[in-house]
Amino acid sequence: DIQMTQSPSSLSASVGDGVNVTCRASQSISRHLNWYQQKPGKAPKLLIYAASTLQSGVPSRFSGSGSGADFTLTITSLQPEDFATYYCQHSSSLPWTFGQGTKVDIK
Amino acid sequence: EVQLVETGGGLIQPGGSLRLSCEASGFRVNTNYMSWVRQAPGKGLEWVSFTDSGGSTYYADSVKGRFTISSDRSKNALDLHMNSLRVEDTAVYYCARVRVLMTGLYRYLDSWGQGTLVIVAS
Repeated sequence: DIQMTQSPSSLSASVGDGVNVTCRASQSISRHLNWYQQKPGKAPKLLIYAASTLQSGVPSRFSGSGSGADFTLTITSLQPEDFATYYCQHSSSLPWTFGQGTKVDIK
Repeated sequence: EVQLVETGGGLIQPGGSLRLSCEASGFRVNTNYMSWVRQAPGKGLEWVSFTDSGGSTYYADSVKGRFTISSDRSKNALDLHMNSLRVEDTAVYYCARVRVLMTGLYRYLDSWGQGTLVIVAS
């Protein structure tokens, strides 16, 4: 199985800050990498698919990059509604696996 | 508008069975790829099962042989039949639609239900 490792596990930031979350796969997954946002008590929400394609309706301050085994989710100018937990997920082969999550909270 | 609503969760004893259902609106379940994902309390997300539009089914090793995914065309719903439940199956279960980007065969979970909580305990 392909393991997904996110870093950091948590971070504190202020409104207006830029944030990077990284995700590393245990082997190359090309660009088969998706990012989700989850708020407490809510279902995950798709942000980015195929490593860098923004899902319809997602603000442009979110972006994704990377290929192979290393990926980054970037949020420019954090907004109050962005404080949440972020998960990466590979879909290169079954079983699909998720990273352990990165919690972004308010400094 | 695409909407998914899961039902069927509850408290069940170890070894018991439960059927979760996910009713869809805004699209047809049987012509889409669909998936179940679960989240144990305070933990991360775990993929459970996946079915493609041809009826092929796939499972995580942790549930293989105990869980069965199926679609109910008459109800436009996705079901998850869970047998031989274990304490470690306790989680919120989400159903999600899988989209496939044919260029590159990228797959992603674009729409999720609100989840249904399954508690396995004696």
